[in-house]
Amino acid sequence: GQQLNQSPQSMFIQEGEDVSMNCTSSSIFNTWLWYKQDPGEGPVLLIALYKAGELTSNGRLTAQFGITRKDSFLNISASIPSDVGIYFCAGSKTSYDKVIFGPGTSLSVIP
Amino acid sequence: DAGVIQSPRHEVTEMGQEVTLRCKPISGHNSLFWYRQTMMRGLELLIYFNNNVPIDDSGMPEDRFSAKMPNASFSTLKIQPSEPRDSAVYFCASSTGGGNTIYFGEGSWLTVV
Repeated sequence: GQQLNQSPQSMFIQEGEDVSMNCTSSSIFNTWLWYKQDPGEGPVLLIALYKAGELTSNGRLTAQFGITRKDSFLNISASIPSDVGIYFCAGSKTSYDKVIFGPGTSLSVIP
Repeated sequence: DAGVIQSPRHEVTEMGQEVTLRCKPISGHNSLFWYRQTMMRGLELLIYFNNNVPIDDSGMPEDRFSAKMPNASFSTLKIQPSEPRDSAVYFCASSTGGGNTIYFGEGSWLTVV
């Protein structure tokens, strides 16, 4: 079945550093979504991507929809302690298809 | 605007008991999803409704699990009988269309002892 892979699985970085993570799929997706989950909460949408090659920013976050439609990237610049959490990528093939999630990248920021 | 509302927030129950989780999607959203999150398996899609009709229930683990959506503003996920391995966080989410941005509730934390 459909499966998303995320790397790295976990990251420990120093406050102020930039972060890069990615998500890959064996299938083509037409929508890529990036979510962040804080402990004890539900995932919250960070960025949504709808077109191959699209580059979208949300504050210090930037995400890209890969040209092949089989991958997506999320970058966080100048990390701060509140960036700590689990980052999930998610994708769907069509506007009417289900959304599946990757296993997540756990981010820890050392002050 | 109210987001996705789930209840109960936490539940501890004994093995063999029936568990009913409830969800109120965001008004105007016509797609509703139930996900289960565990450390071992991450976020798994259990079932997906569109316009109150189940579209894909291939993720429902077994016959002990059932989900209903009697109207556009309410859905339930029922486990009967519950087992310790059902312990997880169950999230409900909604969207304006299956592949569009989905919004999550805060989750129902289930512990079966």
